[in-house]
Amino acid sequence: EIVLTQSPATLSLSPGERATLSCRASQSVSSYLAWYQQKPGQAPRLLISDASNRATGIPARFSASGSGTDFTLTISSLEPEDFAVYYCQQRTNWPPTWTFGQGTKVEIK
Amino acid sequence: ELQLVESGGGLVQPGGSLRLSCAVSGITVSNTYVSWVRQAPGKGLEWVSIIYSAASTYYADSVKGRFTISRDNSKNTVFLQMNSLRVEDTAVYYCARGVGATSWFDFWGQGTLVTVSS
Repeated sequence: EIVLTQSPATLSLSPGERATLSCRASQSVSSYLAWYQQKPGQAPRLLISDASNRATGIPARFSASGSGTDFTLTISSLEPEDFAVYYCQQRTNWPPTWTFGQGTKVEIK
Repeated sequence: ELQLVESGGGLVQPGGSLRLSCAVSGITVSNTYVSWVRQAPGKGLEWVSIIYSAASTYYADSVKGRFTISRDNSKNTVFLQMNSLRVEDTAVYYCARGVGATSWFDFWGQGTLVTVSS
């Protein structure tokens, strides 16, 4: 089973600052990685698919990169609505299963 | 507009059963992939099951043999039958539409809470 480890667990930043979130896989997932944002009391929202492709309607301040085992989500300049929990997710080819990282909380400093 | 609406959650005793529904609008459920994802209180996300357009189904090891995903094309609804429920199955259950070859989850319902407790 592939394990995703996200770091840090919590990121304390101010609006306007740059956020860099990490997701490391226990073995290669190629580019089969997505990122989601979740705010309290809401369902998750897809931000990034296939490691680096922004989903429909996602602002350009969100970018992502990586392949293999190391991935990064960057928020170039934090807006007030960006303070949330972020999860990475990978998909295993066969049998098809999906696993999530434990999440990184981006909180207001 | 694509919409997914879950229902059927509630309080159930350990060992009991519950059936969740995910009513889909804006797309034909038989032409898409729908997954169930759960989130225990204060915890992270856990994928539970998926039903593909071809009706093939897959499950997380934690629910295999206890949960069954199915759909009713006439009602455009996906179901999750949960049997032999355990305290650790307590969670908000979301249904989500899968998109693309890797079936990332691009549309989600609002979730329904399942509480397993005596």
